Amino acid sequence: ETGVTQSPTHLIKTRGQQVTLRCSSQSGHNTVSWYQQALGQGPQFIFQYYREEENGRGNFPPRFSGLQFPNYSSELNVNALELDDSALYLCASSLAQGGNTEAFFGQGTRLTVV
Amino acid sequence: AQSVSQHNHHVILSEAASLELGCNYSYGGTVNLFWYVQYPGQHLQLLLKYFSGDPLVKGIKGFEAEFIKSKFSFNLRKPSVQWSDTAEYFCAVKNSNFGNEKLTFGTGTRLTIIP
Repeated sequence: ETGVTQSPTHLIKTRGQQVTLRCSSQSGHNTVSWYQQALGQGPQFIFQYYREEENGRGNFPPRFSGLQFPNYSSELNVNALELDDSALYLCASSLAQGGNTEAFFGQGTRLTVV
Repeated sequence: AQSVSQHNHHVILSEAASLELGCNYSYGGTVNLFWYVQYPGQHLQLLLKYFSGDPLVKGIKGFEAEFIKSKFSFNLRKPSVQWSDTAEYFCAVKNSNFGNEKLTFGTGTRLTIIP
């Protein structure tokens, strides 16, 4: 176990709907990153949050947004869902210090858009 | 921009065979390098990491990897695989700047071990 928990584990949504995924970081970690893993692919970086602010973003449209709370837990929100958004969404937490850090991943949320 | 290439998409080996999975990355600065494993239905688990120092790093479950800076490579090895090593393996890179936690992953290598 990594100490990173995500909810829900599975979710089915209809195209055009909105979804919120949640992540609880490992205790003591101050950075949360979100990844999208399509079937048969490696995880793709969506964005990261450090001390409640977004400070890095991958090649994802603005309808992907997030929040980080004072307890360092986080949400990923996706608006106007598209079929291609079907994927495993991974949350990773880390302690940003000095640069040499490792990320710990949650088990993921499997999102299916129909 | 960073990129990672894993040239072996699917590898099939018999138990006790030796394993080497290739990983090449593209990035001009100082990097941290990682190998993650994803067992079916489980979360991504860190096998090993390289930050600095000895380019030969040892990880869990008998895995090791060698960082060759001149070749931009970080290949994963195991001298004798077991059936339980069947999983998906991902190489990842991030720059070592403070506050940048973005990992760039390869597309993964599916490893199947035949008993």
